[in-house]
Amino acid sequence: QLQLQESGPGLVKPSETLSLTCTVSGGSISSSSYYWGWIRQPPGKGLEWIGSIYYSGSTYYNPSLKSRVTISVDTSKNQFSLKLSSVTAADTAVYYCAREEARAFDIWGQGTMVTVSS
Amino acid sequence: QSALTQPASVSGSPGQSITISCTGTSSDVGKYNSVSWYQQHPGKAPKLMIYDVTDRPSGVSDRFSGSKSGNTASLTISGLQAEDEADYYCTSYTSSSTRVFGGGTKLTVL
Repeated sequence: QLQLQESGPGLVKPSETLSLTCTVSGGSISSSSYYWGWIRQPPGKGLEWIGSIYYSGSTYYNPSLKSRVTISVDTSKNQFSLKLSSVTAADTAVYYCAREEARAFDIWGQGTMVTVSS
Repeated sequence: QSALTQPASVSGSPGQSITISCTGTSSDVGKYNSVSWYQQHPGKAPKLMIYDVTDRPSGVSDRFSGSKSGNTASLTISGLQAEDEADYYCTSYTSSSTRVFGGGTKLTVL
């Protein structure tokens, strides 16, 4: 069955760029039926949608993060990626990638904790 | 965009029914039938429970049901069980083509 796995550094310094990759296995990221999204959850807090991408590359971003976020897709590797620039401690969170079908996130990765600290 | 409004906590006894509300605006919940609900146990990834306001994914118990009236969507859990104790989040598509989550509701089974 389809699985998603996040990967990337667990520690990022303030003002630097957070970079994460989500690898999709058991299915194609190029399916026309799905978007692919990033969602984060600061410790002890709720979920926040970061953005979503279609396999063609069209993207939608959370307006509050839009100036710092880039989401891209690599169909040859069956992966999509998140870059968040100029990070601060407020960006410390568990970051999830998820498949989005019909505007609902139906399959999630296990999540990866990213801490912003010097 | 503002987060959807959910009660911080709800509680109920085993066998009872509870309802969690999710209030948005005429630009999100009120405009689209694209409201979904997620269950999250501590330390785990969220799990989709309801999509398109009322539909359940395969494998989700029919004790979980969704509805919507105006700008407010609701999740009802009937026949409450101990394993239902978790955090619940709603989300909606918006007129800006973005997605917005609710702040989350902690369900306690007494």
